[in-house]
Amino acid sequence: DAGVTQSPTHLIKTRGQHVTLRCSPISGHKSVSWYQQVLGQGPQFIFQYYEKEERGRGNFPDRFSARQFPNYSSELNVNALLLGDSALYLCASSWSQNGGYTFGSGTRLTVV
Amino acid sequence: QKEVEQDPGPLSVPEGAIVSLNCTYSNSAFQYFMWYRQYSRKGPELLMYTYSSGNKEDGRFTAQVDKSSKYISLFIRDSQPSDSATYLCAMSMNSGGYQKVTFGTGTKLQVIP
Repeated sequence: DAGVTQSPTHLIKTRGQHVTLRCSPISGHKSVSWYQQVLGQGPQFIFQYYEKEERGRGNFPDRFSARQFPNYSSELNVNALLLGDSALYLCASSWSQNGGYTFGSGTRLTVV
Repeated sequence: QKEVEQDPGPLSVPEGAIVSLNCTYSNSAFQYFMWYRQYSRKGPELLMYTYSSGNKEDGRFTAQVDKSSKYISLFIRDSQPSDSATYLCAMSMNSGGYQKVTFGTGTKLQVIP
């Protein structure tokens, strides 16, 4: 079975640009969460979607947005990129909302 | 004070040693407790998932939860070089209809052959 897949694996953007990151959950998983992991830190919660509805939002600015599609895949969008947005962005899926998430390998975003 | 505290290490042990990794937390609302292993340039991999106080064993790994002390541990027996990774504790609580997961900063473990 395929795990959680994320694309792209790496990308470099310039300050002020916009970026879209994509995630495909494990088949049958209806919950998708997004996390930001800065080097040397644990993942920080950004969003949780369950059954295509936003169920939770972390302490991130409105420049961050996301959505979940009918096939349960998800996109994370970040507008007006800042240098501080450089991080590993992780997507995780679960069959429920109660944690026990399976993570993808992440998208490493570098903002220059 | 952070909700979840974890010693960042690094922790270096010889092959075959017993490793003890620990986290403390301040919020008694946490319900589920997890340990993840993260290799360099990879996403975290779920190792253990527990709900109640007590011990849970899976192969060489034992997770221990003490809710009265707000303390969780992960023990690794007969450690192997392949166990070298960063170990993240995580805990979740119901927050307005979803489980909000909070991670520790991670402990970097090196097992020396």
